[in-house]
Amino acid sequence: AQKITQTQPGMFVQEKEAVTLDCTYDTSDPSYGLFWYKQPSSGEMIFLIYQGSYDQQNATEGRYSLNFQKARKSANLVISASQLGDSAMYFCAMRDTGRRALTFGSGTRLQVQP
Amino acid sequence: DTAVSQTPKYLVTQMGNDKSIKCEQNLGHDTMYWYKQDSKKFLKIMFSYNNKELIINETVPNRFSPKSPDKAHLNLHINSLELGDSAVYFCASSHPGLAGGGTQYFGPGTRLTVL
Repeated sequence: AQKITQTQPGMFVQEKEAVTLDCTYDTSDPSYGLFWYKQPSSGEMIFLIYQGSYDQQNATEGRYSLNFQKARKSANLVISASQLGDSAMYFCAMRDTGRRALTFGSGTRLQVQP
Repeated sequence: DTAVSQTPKYLVTQMGNDKSIKCEQNLGHDTMYWYKQDSKKFLKIMFSYNNKELIINETVPNRFSPKSPDKAHLNLHINSLELGDSAVYFCASSHPGLAGGGTQYFGPGTRLTVL
């Protein structure tokens, strides 16, 4: 069975600093995808970034990058130059090739302080 | 142009009632999903449809019945609502064959409160 673990229930970061949100995963499937979503207080789920298990390079999308360490089964999200609008819940999720649904972690609440 | 839309956004109802939530996507995706987010923010898959065919049916009480009239729509009907059904229900869609691992795009959610 797949499992996603986010060990940081809450994080604080100063505006303009970088922050890393941790995510570890467990799966026996050799082919899988890893995703990060942002959920602001307004409630919607916003897709941020995707990493495929066979991708050689770490994914990047603007200020978001995914630090993918396959041997350690970790897929940490790095947000550079934090902004006040980055304050939200962040969810790590995984999808394997056989099962299209996402398995989510418990989330990390990030608060950006001015 | 809303990609994945859900109605209603809020639903307040009494125990024992029957209610439906509707979802529509205009992304041309062939797979749609229902997720439930509980009060602790934990998200869990409930159902998934691919081209109107049910492909995932998690251990959800049979009071919950999804229906997909076509590829662009997936509705969720809930019979005999219970207090424990109070949650946020998210619809999502994806196209697994595309690059990006079949990224799922979520609707705005429906907050269901059962009194």
